[in-house]
Amino acid sequence: DQQVKQNSPSLSVQEGRISILNCDYTNSMFDYFLWYKKYPAEGPTFLISISSIKDKNEDGRFTVFLNKSAKHLSLHIVPSQPGDSAVYFCAASAWGETSGSRLTFGEGTQLTVNP
Amino acid sequence: NAGVMQNPRHLVRRRGQEARLRCSPMKGHSHVYWYRQLPEEGLKFMVYLQKENIIDESGMPKERFSAEFPKEGPSILRIQQVVRGDSAAYFCASSLYSNQPQHFGDGTRLSIL
Repeated sequence: DQQVKQNSPSLSVQEGRISILNCDYTNSMFDYFLWYKKYPAEGPTFLISISSIKDKNEDGRFTVFLNKSAKHLSLHIVPSQPGDSAVYFCAASAWGETSGSRLTFGEGTQLTVNP
Repeated sequence: NAGVMQNPRHLVRRRGQEARLRCSPMKGHSHVYWYRQLPEEGLKFMVYLQKENIIDESGMPKERFSAEFPKEGPSILRIQQVVRGDSAAYFCASSLYSNQPQHFGDGTRLSIL
């Protein structure tokens, strides 16, 4: 049961353009969403998060949008840079006393930014 | 300010042996999570611990796997009698509070011969 899905395994964009990575979820109990970036042989690096009480959060070149009715979120990177080339994971949590912020991850999207 | 430290980075075991994976959380973090990533898949939650307590082990196989986070020292993920299917990258994460973003270590790549 894949509760968080990233339907695009890969995305290729030109340097300077916008990168849009998408993520869908099925569990309506999720109330906190995060994006992580991962390079080969390294651990995921936290990028940006959003609470379900918001529909947008921005941090520098990164913006996350949340559409609760569609159970969809997206990460926008603008302008894209070659150093952004990595695998991007969407993650979600439903906070509870015993689950804490246990994260459910999507399968990841490989972003390639071409110079 | 050191991040999450995992060791060893690579571990090779033969079938039937034991594997012990260690994780030192970020300074001041008392919430530790273990995740496993199989080839070509996303990370899957295994267990959530606070100091000396297992809070949620619903993602961990009932047999052969155990985890601890003692009062002193790192968190340990222990896999007994390893099998080929245990080959994966095992990531540890920590957070300051349970509702804060988790910060990950660089993982332990476990290979079973």
